[in-house]
Amino acid sequence: GQQLNQSPQSMFIQEGEDVSMNCTSSSIFNTWLWYKQDPGEGPVLLIALYKAGELTSNGRLTAQFGITRKDSFLNISASIPSDVGIYFCAGQSGFGNEKLTFGTGTRLTIIP
Amino acid sequence: DARVTQTPRHKVTEMGQEVTMRCQPILGHNTVFWYRQTMMQGLELLAYFRNRAPLDDSGMPKDRFSAEMPDATLATLKIQPSEPRDSAVYFCASGRGQAVNYEQYFGPGTRLTVT
Repeated sequence: GQQLNQSPQSMFIQEGEDVSMNCTSSSIFNTWLWYKQDPGEGPVLLIALYKAGELTSNGRLTAQFGITRKDSFLNISASIPSDVGIYFCAGQSGFGNEKLTFGTGTRLTIIP
Repeated sequence: DARVTQTPRHKVTEMGQEVTMRCQPILGHNTVFWYRQTMMQGLELLAYFRNRAPLDDSGMPKDRFSAEMPDATLATLKIQPSEPRDSAVYFCASGRGQAVNYEQYFGPGTRLTVT
């Protein structure tokens, strides 16, 4: 089946630093979504991408749909304590199929 | 502020007991998904409905799990009999379907512990 490789698995950064993470796949996706999950809560949708090459921002977050349609990137600028959590990428492929394939997550920790 | 709701938020039960988890999708959404999340396996899709019809339950252990949508405002996931290996967080998500987009919105989850 399809797999999404998400990296890095974890990040330890200082407040104010920029963050970059990515997702890669061996197959093409038509939609890329990025979610954030806080402890004890469900994943929350951050950004949705629908076209190859698309660059979309949501506040300090910016995500890009890779040109090859096999990867996506998420950047967080000037990190703050509430950015702590697990970030998941998800991809959709195939016509008539609303199922998403999820990455394994990137755990972001901010060092005081 | 439209949200997916799930009940109960926490459930502790003994092995062999029946467990029922409920989900109310966002009004107007026509797709509903059930996921299970564990540390080892991450997010696994268990079942998926469109317009209340089950489209895919290949991720669900058929012998003990069942998923239904009695009406457009309620989705249920049942485990009977429950086993300790079923301990996990179960999420429901809903979406507007492929006619609009593929975005899925998650509920807060039901944390199940089977002893």
